[in-house]
Amino acid sequence: DVKVTQSSRYLVKRTGEKVFLECVQDMDHENMFWYRQDPGLGLRLIYFSYDVKMKEKGDIPEGYSVSREKKERFSLILESASTNQTSMYLCASSLPLSTDTQYFGPGTRLTVL
Amino acid sequence: GNSVTQMEGPVTLSEEAFLTINCTYTATGYPSLFWYVQYPGEGLQLLLKATKADDKGSNKGFEATYRKETTSFHLEKGSVQVSDSAVYFCARNYGGATNKLIFGTGTLLAVQP
Repeated sequence: DVKVTQSSRYLVKRTGEKVFLECVQDMDHENMFWYRQDPGLGLRLIYFSYDVKMKEKGDIPEGYSVSREKKERFSLILESASTNQTSMYLCASSLPLSTDTQYFGPGTRLTVL
Repeated sequence: GNSVTQMEGPVTLSEEAFLTINCTYTATGYPSLFWYVQYPGEGLQLLLKATKADDKGSNKGFEATYRKETTSFHLEKGSVQVSDSAVYFCARNYGGATNKLIFGTGTLLAVQP
C-alpha cells in the first residue's frame, strides 16, 4: 500500500526557532511536494522536488527551504519561524508524469507562538 | 492566468440527496483535472481525474466531466451518504511535463442523517 508519512502530527514552536518538517515515502517516487493548507486559501505549493538534490520553488517559497538528500525523504525547513507560518503542512509524492496522482501524508499542524 | 475556482461551502445536505460542487478553471492549454477529497483528520486522496476534453472521471459514485467549452469540471453524486462528509478540492495541473497542481480553495460537505 502507498504510504507517505510525516514526522509529527502536531508541532508547537517559538518565533525565531529553526523548524524541520520531515516527509518519507515508500513508493520510490521521483516527485515530492510540500504544501501549506490555510482556511479559505486551499493548498498552496511551497516547494517541489523532481529528483534527489533537485528542487524548484512553488508559489510561496519565501521563508522556507527544502532538502532532498535521499529519494524517499523530503524535508521542509523554516529557517526562522514566524507566527504567519502557523498552518497545516502537507507533503505529497508522485511518479513523474503530468497526469500522475499525488499521494499525501496526514499533515503536520504547526503552531508558531 | 492559471487558476481554479470552486463553489464556497459549507454545503449541507441530507442523506440520499443529490450533490453538485461546481469547479471552473482558467488555462492557456488543456490541463488535466482532478478532484481530491480530505476526510477529517487525514491528508488528501485522489477521488477522480480526467486528462482530456469530454473525459468523465468516476469513483465511489462520484462523477465529473471535463468540459472544455465551459472550462468546468463539476463534481456530482446522485445520492450522498454521511460517510461522504469531507472537504473536496478541485485541481488542475500546471501543464507541460510537470504534475504540479493548482488547487481550488476547497468545499466542505456535511451530510446529515
